[in-house]
Amino acid sequence: SYELTQPPSVSVSPGQTAKITCSGDALSNQYGYWYQQKPGQAPVLMIYKDNERPSGIPERFSGSGSGTTVTLTISGVQAEDEADYYCQSTDSSATYVIFGGGTKLTVL
Amino acid sequence: EVQLVESRGGLVKPGGSLRLSCAASGFTFSSYSMNWVRQAPGEGLEWVSSISGLSNYIYYADSMKGRFTISRDNAKNLVFLQMNNLRPEDTAVYYCARGQTYEYFDYWGQGTLVTVSS
Repeated sequence: SYELTQPPSVSVSPGQTAKITCSGDALSNQYGYWYQQKPGQAPVLMIYKDNERPSGIPERFSGSGSGTTVTLTISGVQAEDEADYYCQSTDSSATYVIFGGGTKLTVL
Repeated sequence: EVQLVESRGGLVKPGGSLRLSCAASGFTFSSYSMNWVRQAPGEGLEWVSSISGLSNYIYYADSMKGRFTISRDNAKNLVFLQMNNLRPEDTAVYYCARGQTYEYFDYWGQGTLVTVSS
């Protein structure tokens, strides 16, 4: 079965850079996607196809991918970026969707 | 503006059934796959099911196969999730989400809470 592994938590001070990793075999040949979820709200797509940013998403959010790992980078973290972040991918035939366990980003 | 609005969930006894619906607007509904994703209280996101624009491709997570059925009505811009033989572990917020190429979800509804308890 496919799994995506994320660190449970990441802490960063305002203005610093946060990096959240996501690892899994599926990422070796499938894209990674990132969602932000704030308490009581629905998830929001932040990054698609490893490094593409949807319209309306601030430029401080970026993504990258290498081998079996994708990384979400938040440059110049702001207090409003405190949230849970989930990575997502699919199996090789795109018939099964996989989510990582989520990373809680704390802005100190 | 893309909008996805789920029907109200509710409290269901173990073994019971519930049908969720999601009303879509602001886009050409039949051109997109539609999906259900759930989130148990305090837990992460879990994909439930996907259906293609013309209903010719349907996929389920293993734990939902045989109990859940996804369907859609393109004339009414609705997607449904019929849930049977519900278990306490099915307690979750259920989100409707628009799919892009079966690979990711670009718009999400606000979610609806389903509680399975006696």
